[in-house]
Amino acid sequence: EAEVAQSPRYKITEKSQAVAFWCDPISGHATLYWYRQILGQGPELLVQFQDESVVDDSQLPKDRFSAERLKGVDSTLKIQPAELGDSAMYLCASSFTGGHTDTQYFGPGTRLTVL
Amino acid sequence: GQNIDQPTEMTATEGAIVQINCTYQTSGFNGLFWYQQHAGEAPTFLSYNVLDGLEEKGRFSSFLSRSKGYSYLLLKELQMKDSASYLCAVLDSNYQLIWGAGTKLIIKP
Repeated sequence: EAEVAQSPRYKITEKSQAVAFWCDPISGHATLYWYRQILGQGPELLVQFQDESVVDDSQLPKDRFSAERLKGVDSTLKIQPAELGDSAMYLCASSFTGGHTDTQYFGPGTRLTVL
Repeated sequence: GQNIDQPTEMTATEGAIVQINCTYQTSGFNGLFWYQQHAGEAPTFLSYNVLDGLEEKGRFSSFLSRSKGYSYLLLKELQMKDSASYLCAVLDSNYQLIWGAGTKLIIKP
């Protein structure tokens, strides 16, 4: 069964350091989403890509966060510098066309701890 | 503002039935999703409702009433592996997914 791949699964870093997360969506899925989820809360959308283009990054803290999907396949989310408040689960999801009712399928996530 | 309300935590007994409610107030409505999330894992898709009524899928069923801004997820014949958080999410008028905080379901033997 096709799955969304993410790495690393766990990341511990010190504040002010740079971190990067990688996501490989399900093959053929044009739309890719990055979410942040704090324990006990629902996922918060950070950025949405349609192929290689950003569709929505209104909630992305652009002073420290960046995301790219250069070839419209896999994607990288970067944080520089990391802050204590960035500790969370970072989830990647993909959907087939990004159509309005497309189901989003999630990867296993990267749990980030900032010390 | 947009708001989705779910109970924070529920407890049920193995073999029993439990209903998890979700009420929403969003700018428009284009469908409602239920996801299951085990601790430390990613959400997995359970159901999608866009029309009023009940959708049944094995032990899980999901109900929607658009006029009341209300949905529920019904889990039958509960198993220990059903212990998880259940997330309600609504597609608003801009087709953005608005997520609830999730309901943590604890199953006791």
